Amino acid sequence: KAGVTQTPRYLIKTRGQQVTLSCSPISGHRSVSWYQQTPGQGLQFLFEYFSETQRNKGNFPGRFSGRQFSNSRSEMNVSTLELGDSALYLCASSPLATSYEQYFGPGTRLTVT
Amino acid sequence: SQQGEEDPQALSIQEGENATMNCSYKTSINNLQWYRQNSGRGLVHLILIRSNEREKHSGRLRVTLDTSKKSSSLLITASRAADTASYFCATDDEGSSSNTGKLIFGQGTTLQVKP
Repeated sequence: KAGVTQTPRYLIKTRGQQVTLSCSPISGHRSVSWYQQTPGQGLQFLFEYFSETQRNKGNFPGRFSGRQFSNSRSEMNVSTLELGDSALYLCASSPLATSYEQYFGPGTRLTVT
Repeated sequence: SQQGEEDPQALSIQEGENATMNCSYKTSINNLQWYRQNSGRGLVHLILIRSNEREKHSGRLRVTLDTSKKSSSLLITASRAADTASYFCATDDEGSSSNTGKLIFGQGTTLQVKP
């Protein structure tokens, strides 16, 4: 099976712009979670989707949003980008909405200038 | 918010030596997992230990869990240069059942294995 794919892999945006990141889970996986990784804050949970429903949301401002499509693919959107949004954004999928083993994609490296 | 802390933050050893990393967490858990991350890439699942287990092995990996001390350790035996990476422990969300994909990660231990 193909692994989790994330597009784009690298992105440079200007402060104030918005960005959309995409994640395709492993075939058959219905749960998709998103994490932000920065040197200062480490890995932080953004949100989790299962069968197109948001099940959990982390402590991030409303500028961060996401959705999941019927084919389990997921997108996350960040509006009005700030310099502090520069990070590696990781997507993970699992067959069920459980806290068991998750499969991570390679991440999208977002740089905000 | 971070669930716990990992110790040490950085570890440098020679190939063939053993590496031990520790993780502490704050709340009751259903399970604890360890992940590896090679420089700026995605995380790879290494091993999961359930709250009712005390020790688990997988190849050169040995994980222990002490729920009374809210701590876990990851031992990598006979380390190789390819083991150079960051290692993270992750727990499920406080007070939740296992029916959530949310993981809470520690800050990680950066391991360097010198050839």
